[in-house]
Amino acid sequence: EVHLGESGGGLVQPGGSRRLSCATSGFTFSSYWMSWVRQAPGTGLEWVANIKKDGSEKYHADSVQGRFTISRDNAKNELYLQMDGLRVEDTAVYYCARIVTAVTTWHCDLWGRGTLVTVSS
Amino acid sequence: DIQMTQSPSSLSASVGDRVTITCRAGQSIGIYLNWYQQKPGKAPNLLIYGASSLQSGVPSRFSGSGSGTDFTLTISSLQPEDFASYYCQQTFGSRTWTFGQGTKVEIK
Repeated sequence: EVHLGESGGGLVQPGGSRRLSCATSGFTFSSYWMSWVRQAPGTGLEWVANIKKDGSEKYHADSVQGRFTISRDNAKNELYLQMDGLRVEDTAVYYCARIVTAVTTWHCDLWGRGTLVTVSS
Repeated sequence: DIQMTQSPSSLSASVGDRVTITCRAGQSIGIYLNWYQQKPGKAPNLLIYGASSLQSGVPSRFSGSGSGTDFTLTISSLQPEDFASYYCQQTFGSRTWTFGQGTKVEIK
């Protein structure tokens, strides 16, 4: 069975750091681009970052550029999000998602349950 | 970044109603448009990809249409399990994506 499971969330002080992990199983992890999406309490979805199958290309939203870094370990079938310089407005549930790519579509067909990051003093 | 304007932000409807949600892109995105459903406390669930392709396992009462800048999600006959929030997402071009603001579908 295919599965994504996020971990690493919790309470962190403003200016602090946190690394989120996403463990995957049931599919060939190295064959897929992967994504992080977040959702602040009571608000909508916000795309955070994408990473290519082999990790050679990474794209981040302007709101996290320079502070967050997406990475992956294909040997461990894991995706990561290193978050530095955290701000109160980064408080959100963070989801990892699998990306399906084709000629006329890129979409997220599989999602984890999410992990909550709370940035507060 | 490509802005996505989704409307309405919320709507009230009854079981059996036909419901339409629209999404407008700030520039042409071809058919790089997806729709997701999200229920409270749950992860998003893919409904439609490539503007009009139905994801496997999604009921046929859901359909999508459009291309370029204007897109529509239609639920032909609203069911009790369809009361949720819906989001469009553009995945065109430079690998920087955006979601619409969301539409909350509530029971009338």
